[in-house]
Amino acid sequence: AQSVTQLGSHVSVSEGALVLLRCNYSSSVPPYLFWYVQYPNQGLQLLLKYTSAATLVKGINGFEAEFKKSETSFHLTKPSAHMSDAAEYFCAVRNNAGNMLTFGGGTRLMVKP
Amino acid sequence: DAGVTQSPTHLIKTRGQHVTLRCSPISGHKSVSWYQQVLGQGPQFIFQYYEKEERGRGNFPDRFSARQFPNYSSELNVNALLLGDSALYLCASSLGTITDTQYFGPGTRLTVL
Repeated sequence: AQSVTQLGSHVSVSEGALVLLRCNYSSSVPPYLFWYVQYPNQGLQLLLKYTSAATLVKGINGFEAEFKKSETSFHLTKPSAHMSDAAEYFCAVRNNAGNMLTFGGGTRLMVKP
Repeated sequence: DAGVTQSPTHLIKTRGQHVTLRCSPISGHKSVSWYQQVLGQGPQFIFQYYEKEERGRGNFPDRFSARQFPNYSSELNVNALLLGDSALYLCASSLGTITDTQYFGPGTRLTVL
């Protein structure tokens, strides 16, 4: 069974600083990995996805993530944080049958002015 | 194009009651999945339906049931509500194949008193 661990339930950065949100996965087969963002009182919005085409994946709003098989990681980064990036971020892995996502516990990103 | 829509937005019920939540997928999408997101946690998979058939079920009791209609909309039913059922219920739709991305609706906030 797949699983996802997000290290750090809360991350605080200054505006303009590097954003790094960590995600480690467990999967017995090559994984399909996703990052979603959730703004307060809203649903989940897809940021980016890894589907084995390229290890560095670019998403919306300047975010990108790098798949590292040797480290079973899929960390999310953004070079320069914006106040509007403050939200909850979820990493997820899809199962073999493709019919369910397993989510991590989420990381709340806070951006200080 | 309209995204995934869910109704109602908010719902308050008392213990023991029954609730029905509704979801309309993105036009052209044939698969609908349901997730439960308890406050402070990542979403947990409940069901997936594709072409009106159940294609996956998460670790939830039989009090939870769902169905999909010919127009691909879906209902999630929960019987004998417990306090622990209080959560944000998210619906996601996808085209239907195992490689498809799931797109989430805004959710229904259920409060059980």
